Amino acid sequence: NAGVTQTPKFQVLKTGQSMTLQCAQDMNHEYMSWYRQDPGMGLRLIHYSVGAGITDQGEVPNGYNVSRSTTEDFPLRLLSAAPSQTSVYFCASSYRDGTTGNTIYFGEGSWLTVV
Amino acid sequence: AQTVTQSQPEMSVQEAETVTLSCTYDTSENNYYLFWYKQPPSRQMILVIRQEAYKQQNATENRFSVNFQKAAKSFSLKISDSQLGDTAMYFCALLTYITNFGNEKLTFGTGTRLTIIP
Repeated sequence: NAGVTQTPKFQVLKTGQSMTLQCAQDMNHEYMSWYRQDPGMGLRLIHYSVGAGITDQGEVPNGYNVSRSTTEDFPLRLLSAAPSQTSVYFCASSYRDGTTGNTIYFGEGSWLTVV
Repeated sequence: AQTVTQSQPEMSVQEAETVTLSCTYDTSENNYYLFWYKQPPSRQMILVIRQEAYKQQNATENRFSVNFQKAAKSFSLKISDSQLGDTAMYFCALLTYITNFGNEKLTFGTGTRLTIIP
């Protein structure tokens, strides 16, 4: 099982450049989300989606855009990269099971450096 | 707003000993889940254990167990017979449901760096 797949794993950007972090899951999960992890901090929610065509902002959405055209994919776009966006980014997907509760799956992370 | 607090930035313990990691949280929701995640140097997020708030019984997974005190909003992780492979960052996380939108909100603590000493 592929689970949650993030690409690229590593990326170096120059200030002002744009790029897209890709996230795909093959588990038919409704919920997908993006987090960033900075040194000394836990994961903070950037954007999330409850299904195709529906997205909303999380705790730290500024500088990022998302879209959800299919159940499987949830790309994160950096519009004009800034050094403050240097971080490790995690994509996650989850489903809610009536018997076992909520299970969250994380991708392996994407390390982004903005110079 | 919901918060998760881990007051121990770093801990270390001798191999085979028992260690307890602390976590407190705050939420106004009645329906929620609590998690402990392990993050080794590879940065992969690995689920250690999960607790449903409506369950009074503390969750257990092999050497890992929790002490869930709902009234005190406390959720500590106990690792018994600690092993070198337990060395990692450990994050406590709180999951609530935004009922009017149907989505969950997952909030993490700042983590505890645990080192197991040979």
